[in-house]
Amino acid sequence: SQTIHQWPATLVQPVGSPLSLECTVEGTSNPNLYWYRQAAGRGLQLLFYSVGIGQISSEVPQNLSASRPQDRQFILSSKKLLLSDSGFYLCAWAGPSNQPQHFGDGTRLSIL
Amino acid sequence: QKEVEQDPGPLSVPEGAIVSLNCTYSNSAFQYFMWYRQYSRKGPELLMYTYSSGNKEDGRFTAQVDKSSKYISLFIRDSQPSDSATYLCAMSAANQAGTALIFGKGTTLSVSS
Repeated sequence: SQTIHQWPATLVQPVGSPLSLECTVEGTSNPNLYWYRQAAGRGLQLLFYSVGIGQISSEVPQNLSASRPQDRQFILSSKKLLLSDSGFYLCAWAGPSNQPQHFGDGTRLSIL
Repeated sequence: QKEVEQDPGPLSVPEGAIVSLNCTYSNSAFQYFMWYRQYSRKGPELLMYTYSSGNKEDGRFTAQVDKSSKYISLFIRDSQPSDSATYLCAMSAANQAGTALIFGKGTTLSVSS
């Protein structure tokens, strides 16, 4: 069966510091991968998606970037965090039909 | 009008009750409909997935889609305290890669024993 892992589970970072969140998927090949942000009272917002190694599409212009160095690895990064980057970051994967999407347990990011 | 509307609750019911959770939407192009359950500090867990209109049943859960009314529902029979969570509806117009799911903001359910 397929599993998705995200780490760390919780992260507290100062403003202006860099960020790297990692997501890996097991038990499947060539998944479609997604990064979402869930803000309190605002639902889930798609940030990035990837259909293959090195292929990244951005949905929302922002202070973040994503990379996919390996088939089942998806990384969310920032060079300098802003207070507004605080939130709950979720990685998701989907198979070739792209539906449905399955989520990891997320990283709760707090910026001080 | 927002694309997906979902009453945030909270909804409190006694154990054993039948729970009805609902979402309305405005985009008639939506064809794929999902319900996710999210426990506190966890990611959303897929409960039900349906394509187009109709009903789907899985154990104590039944999902209904009425595309003519742009209305979807999730019914939980014989609710248990372990069902206490936030329930998110999600939908999509297509299944191409990169198609974002459009989520409701979630309904918080509390089942008391």
